[in-house]
Amino acid sequence: RKEVEQDPGPFNVPEGATVAFNCTYSNSASQSFFWYRQDCRKEPKLLMSVYSSGNEDGRFTAQLNRASQYISLLIRDSKLSDSATYLCVVNPNSGYSTLTFGKGTMLLVSP
Amino acid sequence: DGGITQSPKYLFRKEGQNVTLSCEQNLNHDAMYWYRQDPGQGLRLIYYSQIVNDFQKGDIAEGYSVSREKKESFPLTVTSAQKNPTAFYLCATGARQGGFNEQFFGPGTRLTVL
Repeated sequence: RKEVEQDPGPFNVPEGATVAFNCTYSNSASQSFFWYRQDCRKEPKLLMSVYSSGNEDGRFTAQLNRASQYISLLIRDSKLSDSATYLCVVNPNSGYSTLTFGKGTMLLVSP
Repeated sequence: DGGITQSPKYLFRKEGQNVTLSCEQNLNHDAMYWYRQDPGQGLRLIYYSQIVNDFQKGDIAEGYSVSREKKESFPLTVTSAQKNPTAFYLCATGARQGGFNEQFFGPGTRLTVL
């Protein structure tokens, strides 16, 4: 089983749609979880850190299910500017440890 | 103007040459990382440093070298021993934010071997 696995995508949705990305991780001892956004040919940018069972930031909601080793990201009312690749990222340890990145799921929002 | 800078943005190298990629930060973060990204692939860790004068190999360190003489700087050298160096190289810094080990990325360097 891959360490961090994401839906392969791409997801093509119209503006205003709600879209959900799923991610599973293999290391049950993983400590913290993140969603990053990466635009084409740019660096990843931190979108959300995922707290306890989940958290919300505007149109974005992240959820964590430790028992199922599953993380999700929900985007409501999609905008054209949401078009990007979304990376699921897991920190397997505490401290300044390395992060494990999923390959990402591409989102294309069309008018 | 705070942040992470990487230079150059684009780099072309002939086979057999060593090149050094620069990464500088003024965020006062202790940890720094180098990743490589290939098309359709996730980020892969090359080297990381949690403190000055100390660094550890990541998953794909062969053919690369680093130094950490200053907190602000973590240069990466791509040596001629790296068999397939053409890639997008990303430097990151690490900070604890509210108990989370968050990482922040520089704009990257695109290396092409001719």
